[in-house]
Amino acid sequence: GAVVSQHPSRVICKSGTSVKIECRSLDFQATTMFWYRQFPKQSLMLMATSNEGSKATYEQGVEKDKFLINHASLTLSTLTVTSAHPEDSSFYICSAPNRGQGGTYEQYFGPGTRLTVT
Amino acid sequence: AQSVTQPDIHITVSEGASLELRCNYSYGATPYLFWYVQSPGQGLQLLLKYFSGDTLVQGIKGFEAEFKRSQSSFNLRKPSVHWSDAAEYFCAVVTSFYSSASKIIFGSGTRLSIRP
Repeated sequence: GAVVSQHPSRVICKSGTSVKIECRSLDFQATTMFWYRQFPKQSLMLMATSNEGSKATYEQGVEKDKFLINHASLTLSTLTVTSAHPEDSSFYICSAPNRGQGGTYEQYFGPGTRLTVT
Repeated sequence: AQSVTQPDIHITVSEGASLELRCNYSYGATPYLFWYVQSPGQGLQLLLKYFSGDTLVQGIKGFEAEFKRSQSSFNLRKPSVHWSDAAEYFCAVVTSFYSSASKIIFGSGTRLSIRP
């Protein structure tokens, strides 16, 4: 089946620095990818839709200048948390839709990246 | 706008007992519904999905779910739980299966604990 990977799985950074998280679709192409944030014991909240070759679409309340998204190719989307602060510490998950039988899309989720800002 | 409600935040059941996790959706048209499971610190695994046809859907790990349009529900069931089923369970809805840009809306999740 389709596989989505994320790198790194865990990252610790100091407050004020930037960190980049990669999301890759390993055996399929994705013109669209999604980025979610999950705080402890909470649900996944959609942050933005990453669009290959064009600007990302951000959900209401998500700072686009803080969470930079680049969908450089059909298999790679990156999320850069700029000037990270402790409140940005969270679990970040990406997903990519893959078209299967019958023309329907199914979302495949990455394993997540645990970001800790000290 | 579509939404998903999981009324139970935390459920504890004994190993070997049956399980039902509740999910209610709000959407005007035919919804496309999912159940995902998440172990601590892990990503999501799809248990099952419904988008048409038989309203009783079979999934992996012995789970099943029944779509009831009259009750706007899509409850997850398992006849006999195992200790390894302890995890967080999310019900989700997507407005279209035919668009790559269709967003998934997640419920708040239900944490399942298993009593030995």
